[in-house]
Amino acid sequence: GAVVSQHPSWVICKSGTSVKIECRSLDFQATTMFWYRQFPKQSLMLMATSNEGSKATYEQGVEKDKFLINHASLTLSTLTVTSAHPEDSSFYICSAKGLAGDQETQYFGPGTRLLVL
Amino acid sequence: GNSVTQMEGPVTLSEEAFLTINCTYTATGYPSLFWYVQYPGEGLQLLLKATKADDKGSNKGFEATYRKETTSFHLEKGSVQVSDSAVYFCALGDYKLSFGAGTTVTVRA
Repeated sequence: GAVVSQHPSWVICKSGTSVKIECRSLDFQATTMFWYRQFPKQSLMLMATSNEGSKATYEQGVEKDKFLINHASLTLSTLTVTSAHPEDSSFYICSAKGLAGDQETQYFGPGTRLLVL
Repeated sequence: GNSVTQMEGPVTLSEEAFLTINCTYTATGYPSLFWYVQYPGEGLQLLLKATKADDKGSNKGFEATYRKETTSFHLEKGSVQVSDSAVYFCALGDYKLSFGAGTTVTVRA
């Protein structure tokens, strides 16, 4: 089946620094990738939709200058948390849309746990 | 907008017990409905889906039926195994997905 990887799987950083998270589709091309955020014992909240070669579309309430998304190729999207603060600590999950048979399906990465001290 | 309400957990069962996880939704139109499963340390995996009313999705012994009249998509499995221990998410959407809070299921041997 289709595989999506994320790197790193977890990261600890100091307040004020920036952190980049990579999302890769390993065996398929994904024109669309999504970035989610998950708080403990809560559902996944969609942050933004990333289309290859164009600007990301952010959900209401998500600061685009805070969470920079780049979808430079059909297999890679990156999320950069700029000037991270403790309230940005969370579990970040990406997904990529790919074909499963003749239907498009979202495949999810394993997530990246960010802790900002 | 679209939203999903999912049964709160955690749910603890013995092996071979019957499992039901309730999921209800509000939506504009008739979006597709999904159940995703997240095993410990892994990413979300699509378990099953239904794309229109009265459709039944099934996989690995799990079933869920798209019920328009009750706006529900309850997940069921007749006889669970220890390997079914995971977090289960109900979701809906055709492009962007809206997720429920997730239900943690633990199956004891």
